[in-house]
Amino acid sequence: NAGVMQNPRHLVRRRGQEARLRCSPMKGHSHVYWYRQLPEEGLKFMVYLQKENIIDESGMPKERFSAEFPKEGPSILRIQQVVRGDSAAYFCASSPGLAGIDTQYFGPGTRLTVL
Amino acid sequence: AQKVTQAQTEISVVEKEDVTLDCVYETRDTTYYLFWYKQPPSGELVFLIRRNSFDEQNEISGRYSWNFQKSTSSFNFTITASQVVDSAVYFCALSEVYGQNFVFGPGTRLSVLP
Repeated sequence: NAGVMQNPRHLVRRRGQEARLRCSPMKGHSHVYWYRQLPEEGLKFMVYLQKENIIDESGMPKERFSAEFPKEGPSILRIQQVVRGDSAAYFCASSPGLAGIDTQYFGPGTRLTVL
Repeated sequence: AQKVTQAQTEISVVEKEDVTLDCVYETRDTTYYLFWYKQPPSGELVFLIRRNSFDEQNEISGRYSWNFQKSTSSFNFTITASQVVDSAVYFCALSEVYGQNFVFGPGTRLSVLP
């Protein structure tokens, strides 16, 4: 059973470009979470999705960031018009059930560098 | 509101020493879960343990042990006879049963020197 897959593992963008980060949850998991880890800091929650629904996006910046988890295919975290401050590691996690009850398993992360 | 504090930013020990990483949490819920994750230099997050708020029994897994004390809202992690491969950042996390996400502590960077 493959773990949580994220791609790309490393992404370099210039200021103003768009970044698309992909996450495929573990088989059988229908709950996906995105976290951001700034250099030398802990993980901060961004958004929680189930298939075709955003459940909680309270940690997502109001502008330029969006997330989706379509019926088919991976979850996508999209950052438009990236700025240097977006440089961070973005982790995706999945769980089979509710966040408060089930363990979240993390992917390897995507390291975004904005030049 | 949930909060997790890991007061130790960095710890250095010499191989074979025992080391304890502290975690103190805040929550208003009576039902919650506590976790520890390890982030080695390669960057991935490795799940170590999950403990629910009704189970205060201490747990041991090889060289790892966890001490959960509700009275002091602490969930400390001890590594016995540390090894160089234990060098990593360790995160403590809290989730509430009706919460939507995990709240992570800031992490403790452990360096085990040969």
